[in-house]
Amino acid sequence: DGGITQSPKYLFRKEGQNVTLSCEQNLNHDAMYWYRQDPGQGLRLIYYSQIVNDFQKGDIAEGYSVSREKKESFPLTVTSAQKNPTAFYLCATRSWAQNTEAFFGQGTRLTVV
Amino acid sequence: GESVGLHLPTLSVQEGDNSIINCAYSNSASDYFIWYKQESGKGPQFIIDIRSNMDKRQGQRVTVLLNKTVKHLSLQIAATQPGDSAVYFCAETPGGGGGADGLTFGKGTHLIIQP
Repeated sequence: DGGITQSPKYLFRKEGQNVTLSCEQNLNHDAMYWYRQDPGQGLRLIYYSQIVNDFQKGDIAEGYSVSREKKESFPLTVTSAQKNPTAFYLCATRSWAQNTEAFFGQGTRLTVV
Repeated sequence: GESVGLHLPTLSVQEGDNSIINCAYSNSASDYFIWYKQESGKGPQFIIDIRSNMDKRQGQRVTVLLNKTVKHLSLQIAATQPGDSAVYFCAETPGGGGGADGLTFGKGTHLIIQP
């Protein structure tokens, strides 16, 4: 939504598997973020990236990995080290230089089966 | 923003009444504040924002009030409609103009509209 595409909308993972969530943007924003949302709770920051080829850990980075090879793309991998991966994952972008609002994708719901 | 990990508080209002959703923030350096609306199963949507050099800002049916003295932010929704039913989050970002560290979110309030 608003130039940010997350895919897939729903994702099922078996125990021990790595899965990758896609986030693509055409807003030309420098900064991209991944948040995790659990039922009835707020948003917690996993990773963020300010520029290409650079990213920083957020509050709950353990068990996750990211890459930022292109400005438009910021994929998130949920690794087998993440023991409780079932959650709603949200990608966001922001023009941090202008210090304006963040724009969110529509989310990916990940379920461990 | 407030700490996460707690169950969202709930605000129940009658259709047609005004709603007031409150948020406390902790970072005195925050200079930009945003309210988001999140409907079930969707990503948060921007509602309105305010910078620290303002006390009040109005949009269509919504008003945001900022009290920097007590670090408090509120969202007022006039004539609440069924479509306003959602979770509302406040977010803040520290000063310095960058904010590339991301926004800090409050834990959210679930607004329920009674017919």
